[in-house]
Amino acid sequence: QVQLVQSGAEVKRPGASVKVSCKASGYTFINYDINWVRQATGQGLEWMGWMNPDSGNTGYALKFQDRLTITRNTSLSTAYMELSSLSSEDTAMYYCARYYYDSNGYYYGADSWGQGTLVTVSS
Amino acid sequence: SFELTQPPSVSVSPGQTARITCSGGALPNQYAYWYQQRPGQAPLLVIYRDSERPSGIPERFSGSSSGTTFTLTISGVQAEDEADYYCQSAGSSGFYVFGTGTRVTVL
Repeated sequence: QVQLVQSGAEVKRPGASVKVSCKASGYTFINYDINWVRQATGQGLEWMGWMNPDSGNTGYALKFQDRLTITRNTSLSTAYMELSSLSSEDTAMYYCARYYYDSNGYYYGADSWGQGTLVTVSS
Repeated sequence: SFELTQPPSVSVSPGQTARITCSGGALPNQYAYWYQQRPGQAPLLVIYRDSERPSGIPERFSGSSSGTTFTLTISGVQAEDEADYYCQSAGSSGFYVFGTGTRVTVL
């Protein structure tokens, strides 16, 4: 079955960077976009960015463009999200999600999600 | 900036119907997608392309749209439906963003 398994919780100091991994299994990794979404405690879902694992093309929400990098290792079927210049406002649960598009490029929703990785930024 | 607005909360008695709206779509003719998120869990897709249900989602979940307003309807609400619900649609940039979220409370 389709699974996205994320790396474990992280605690970081303000100003540091964090890199979260998302390992895919049960499907062909390069055939589906991976998106990253975060959620602060008690808050809503916030879309951060997107990657096409086949081409490596990425797109980022404006507020993260200067400090977010999404990459992948196709041989490991793993996507990575790196966020730099962390502040307390980045304390949140971070999710990777598989966005399903059909062969015509029509979007069918985020049909599989990782379990989430809690990133805590504290001095 | 583009934002999808949902009511913060909806309360409903078991067996009744809950309706959650999502307004502010950036462009006409864009679809809505709906996600359920129970406490401590990752979101789960319950409706895609306005009104389609993924495999395994109960028939009591349905969706509709009118212009740039989307609606998720839960008919015959059950206790297990108590959760947060988020809509999603495409912004003018083409990226898919989430609504503000609605907490459904089953009385």
